Amino acid sequence: KAGVTQTPRYLIKTRGQQVTLSCSPISGHRSVSWYQQTPGQGLQFLFEYFSETQRNKGNFPGRFSGRQFSNSRSEMNVSTLELGDSALYLCASSFMGIEQPQHFGDGTRLSIL
Amino acid sequence: DQQVKQNSPSLSVQEGRISILNCDYTNSMFDYFLWYKKYPAEGPTFLISISSIKDKNEDGRFTVFLNKSAKHLSLHIVPSQPGDSAVYFCAASPKTSYDKVIFGPGTSLSVIP
Repeated sequence: KAGVTQTPRYLIKTRGQQVTLSCSPISGHRSVSWYQQTPGQGLQFLFEYFSETQRNKGNFPGRFSGRQFSNSRSEMNVSTLELGDSALYLCASSFMGIEQPQHFGDGTRLSIL
Repeated sequence: DQQVKQNSPSLSVQEGRISILNCDYTNSMFDYFLWYKKYPAEGPTFLISISSIKDKNEDGRFTVFLNKSAKHLSLHIVPSQPGDSAVYFCAASPKTSYDKVIFGPGTSLSVIP
């Protein structure tokens, strides 16, 4: 069974640009969550999608947005990038979202210059 | 305000000895607790979990203890092996929202051969 796939693995952008990250969950999983990982902060919850609807949202500004498609694949978009957005962005999937554990992808490392 | 705390950013242990990783939480609504392990350049992988109705759960070399009155849990690894060197994240789910997991900042464990 294929795991959670995130693309691209690495990305370099400059301030002010926007970026789109992609996540393909494990086949059959309908819940996709996004996290930001920075040193010392651990994993910060961004949002969770289930059946194409955003079900939960963390405390991030509106520059961070996402969506989920009918095949459960999800994208995360960050607009007007800031230096502080440099981080590892992790996607996790689970069947319904209410069961644990989640299955994580290897992440996208975003660097802002 | 961090709801899940891991006050030791790093820990070094000799191979064969016991590793004890600690985690404290502040929200009494947390009902389910998990430990994830993360190697560099990989996503977190689930290690072990415990429900609030139990005070101990064991899986091979890994044991998690939960002290609800102290809002404290710990992960014991016995015996520690060099391959256990990784960052360990403690995570908690509130009763009302299993799909919104709160992660601690992580503890980096180094097992010295």
